Amino acid sequence: ELKVEQNPLFLSMQEGKNYTIYCNYSTTSDRLYWYRQDPGKSLESLFVLLSNGAVKQEGRLMASLDTKARLSTLHITAAVHDLSATYFCAVDEDNFNKFYFGSGTKLNVKP
Amino acid sequence: EPEVTQTPSHQVTQMGQEVILRCVPISNHLYFYWYRQILGQKVEFLVSFYNNEISEKSEIFDDQFSVERPDGSNFTLKIRSTKLEDSAMYFCASNKVYSNQPQHFGDGTRLSIL
Repeated sequence: ELKVEQNPLFLSMQEGKNYTIYCNYSTTSDRLYWYRQDPGKSLESLFVLLSNGAVKQEGRLMASLDTKARLSTLHITAAVHDLSATYFCAVDEDNFNKFYFGSGTKLNVKP
Repeated sequence: EPEVTQTPSHQVTQMGQEVILRCVPISNHLYFYWYRQILGQKVEFLVSFYNNEISEKSEIFDDQFSVERPDGSNFTLKIRSTKLEDSAMYFCASNKVYSNQPQHFGDGTRLSIL
C-alpha cells in the first residue's frame, strides 16, 4: 500500500518565524495536493502540484514537489496566528481513482 | 461557487443499525469519493465512483459498506450493521474527469455509534 508520511506531526511556532513541513510518499505519482483543515471543519484545498519541480505560492505558504525524491514541502514564511490549523498532503495513485493522505501536521502559531 | 453538500451533518445511531449518508456532488463533476476521518486522525480513502460503478476501494470498504447513485444528483454511502468503530466524520468529495483541479470536499457527516 502507498505510504504518505508527514513530519513533523505537531509544530508549535512563534509568529514571524519560518518553518517547513515535509511530505514523503512511496509511489511514483506526479500529482500531490495540500489541504488545510480547521478543527471540526472540512478540507480546504491549498495547492495542486502536478509535475516535478512544481512550485506554488499563496500568501505566506509555498509548496514544492520533487517527484524524483518523492518529496513535497510546504514552507511557511513569517507565520501568523491565522495559519494555525492541520495541514495534510495527499497523493493520487491510479489516475484520480485513489487518494492517500498523510497523517497531518497540526500547526499552532503562538502570538 | 458550487459546493458539495452532505446530509445530515450529525447522525447518531445504535450499534447494529443501518445508516445512509447522503451527498450531492457538484453538478458537472463525474468522479465521486467517500472518505472517513476518525477523530484526531488522518483522512482515509474509502471508495471512488465513476460512470455508475466503483472505480477503486480501500481495505476499509468491506461488505458492510455500499455506495449508490440513485438519481442524477445524489451519491450515498450505506453502512450496514454499524459498529462502534464506525464512529467518525465521513466526507464526500467530487471532481471533474481527469481534472488538474483538486477534489471538492463537503462539510462532512459526523457519525456517532452508540
